[in-house]
Amino acid sequence: GQQLNQSPQSMFIQEGEDVSMNCTSSSIFNTWLWYKQDPGEGPVLLIALYKAGELTSNGRLTAQFGITRKDSFLNISASIPSDVGIYFCAGRSGNTPLVFGKGTRLSVIA
Amino acid sequence: SQTIHQWPATLVQPVGSPLSLECTVEGTSNPNLYWYRQAAGRGLQLLFYSVGIGQISSEVPQNLSASRPQDRQFILSSKKLLLSDSGFYLCAWSGKLQVKAWSQPQHFGDGTRLSIL
Repeated sequence: GQQLNQSPQSMFIQEGEDVSMNCTSSSIFNTWLWYKQDPGEGPVLLIALYKAGELTSNGRLTAQFGITRKDSFLNISASIPSDVGIYFCAGRSGNTPLVFGKGTRLSVIA
Repeated sequence: SQTIHQWPATLVQPVGSPLSLECTVEGTSNPNLYWYRQAAGRGLQLLFYSVGIGQISSEVPQNLSASRPQDRQFILSSKKLLLSDSGFYLCAWSGKLQVKAWSQPQHFGDGTRLSIL
C-alpha cells in the first residue's frame, strides 16, 4: 500500500527561525495536504495542493507540491510560540482515501 | 458555514463494555465521512469511511464497526472494547465535487479521547 515518510520526526527551534519539513511517498500523488494539530484537538487544514510544482502560501506558511509528485514541503518563516504543535502531511492518488504521515512535532523556544 | 461535532470529548470505559461515539456535520449535504484513530504520539490511522447513507468501507480489520444512519451522522461502535482500543478518535468530513469526489480536503472534529481500563 501507499506509504508516507515525514521528516523530521521532531524539531526544536528558536523563536524567529525558519522551519522546513517534508514528506515523500512511495507512489505518485495527485493531492497533498498539510495539517496542524494542537494538543487535545483535531487537525486543522493549513494548505491544500493539487498540481505538481504548485507553491501555495498561507501567511507565514508556504507549501510546495513536488515536481516528481512524490513529495511535498512545508516551510514556516519567522516562527513564533503559537506555531508549536504537530504538523501532518497527507496525500492521495486517484480515488483513494487520504494517507497521513506520522507527523513532525515542532517545539519553539522563546 | 460547515461545522462538525463529536461527542463525548473524553470517555473512560472498562474492558468488554460497548462503545458508541457519534459525529454529526452541519452546513453541508452528502459529505464523505471518516473515522480515524490516533495512538499517543502517532499519526492518523483511517478506520472507516462513508460516501453515503448506509455505505461503509473498512480500512483495517478490528472489533470496531461504523454506521451512517443519516446523511450527516456517522457512528463508531463496538460490542466489546479491548485495551488496544484506547486512543484519540477523530471524525472528519469532506465535500464532493461531481467529477473529483476525493479531491476535497478533510475537516476534522475535536476528537474523543477514549481510555480503556
